Amino acid sequence: EDKVVQSPLSLVVHEGDTVTLNCSYEVTNFRSLLWYKQEKKAPTFLFMLTSSGIEKKSGRLSSILDKKELFSILNITATQTGDSAVYLCAVGGAGGTSYGKLTFGQGTILTVHP
Amino acid sequence: EAQVTQNPRYLITVTGKKLTVTCSQNMNHEYMSWYRQDPGLGLRQIYYSMNVEVTDKGDVPEGYKVSRKEKRNFPLILESPSPNQTSLYFCASSLKPPSALVPYGYTFGSGTRLTVV
Repeated sequence: EDKVVQSPLSLVVHEGDTVTLNCSYEVTNFRSLLWYKQEKKAPTFLFMLTSSGIEKKSGRLSSILDKKELFSILNITATQTGDSAVYLCAVGGAGGTSYGKLTFGQGTILTVHP
Repeated sequence: EAQVTQNPRYLITVTGKKLTVTCSQNMNHEYMSWYRQDPGLGLRQIYYSMNVEVTDKGDVPEGYKVSRKEKRNFPLILESPSPNQTSLYFCASSLKPPSALVPYGYTFGSGTRLTVV
């Protein structure tokens, strides 16, 4: 069974801190790993990663994938209160029973205090 | 505006009374999927559809049905709802399925909060 595990489950920091969120996975026929941000509504897309070692960046957010060790990290530098959200990691498969499935982790709840 | 529309946003119902949650997308997406979100469990996939008349089970399909008669619509049907189906439900769509490396991810609806008493 495909499995995606995120850590930590919850994180409280102060504005300006840097945080690292982790996502490890066990997925048959791995195809892609996606990061989403969820505030009080629907998840919104952040990054898609398919190749090891290539960092994706968007402003203060960056992410990298390690396909050998089966994990990804999401970094947020100089955090702001607007970064407070649940961060979700999801992994897509590429064949067999994984063809149409997107498996999510439990999410990391990030709270940024002023 | 490109979007995924779910209805209703909130629903309280009684055990055993059949209900349908509708999902419609206006982006001509092939792939659509339903998820439920519960505290501590993240998003779990219920059913997905690769295209019209092509549907398959996700990880938690028990107690749910779906249909895909038209490309834009993918309703979720609970024939006999039970309290353990109380959850937050999301519909999502994408041009292609997860195996096809869609670079912009998936578009989610705003969610339906269902309570079964």
